Amino acid sequence: AQSVTQPDIHITVSEGASLELRCNYSYGATPYLFWYVQSPGQGLQLLLKYFSGDTLVQGIKGFEAEFKRSQSSFNLRKPSVHWSDAAEYFCAVGATSGTYKYIFGTGTRLKVLA
Amino acid sequence: DGGITQSPKYLFRKEGQNVTLSCEQNLNHDAMYWYRQDPGQGLRLIYYSQIVNDFQKGDIAEGYSVSREKKESFPLTVTSAQKNPTAFYLCASKRLGETEAFFGQGTRLTVV
Repeated sequence: AQSVTQPDIHITVSEGASLELRCNYSYGATPYLFWYVQSPGQGLQLLLKYFSGDTLVQGIKGFEAEFKRSQSSFNLRKPSVHWSDAAEYFCAVGATSGTYKYIFGTGTRLKVLA
Repeated sequence: DGGITQSPKYLFRKEGQNVTLSCEQNLNHDAMYWYRQDPGQGLRLIYYSQIVNDFQKGDIAEGYSVSREKKESFPLTVTSAQKNPTAFYLCASKRLGETEAFFGQGTRLTVV
């Protein structure tokens, strides 16, 4: 069955510290992978996406993610967190054809300490 | 500006009433989606539509209905059959053949 797992429900980091949010997926083929960010009461904004090529992808706001096929992972990283990064982050898998459905993880809420 | 507009932002409903959430997009996207978001559960797919006059059930369609009479519009009706409708509802759209979905700002529905 297709699924996305974000094992960390909450993460707290200090401003300026590095960040890694974990995402593992289960999918029959190579999927399209996404990271979205959601501020409270708002919609989702795409941070970055991967579907082929270089396994390290760069996104907006200084975020990057690395696709590791052997580990079925797509972890999100940022070298230095800013207070404005406090939000909820969702990893998602998209179908490469057919129904074009997306499967989302349960999200990781990031808190940033000043 | 192109984008997805959901209205209203906040909606209150009495138990037993049907209510319709609006989703309009001017991006000329083919596919549209409705998701429900509950704390700790992420986003769950309610319905999706790839073309006008066609739509499919998602994972949690019971108690919901949709229509797709126009390409730019995909309204969601939360019926009285939905046992626990209080949630945050997100509409999304994408162009077929492309990978990125764009999201609206959401509607928070509260049953009182």
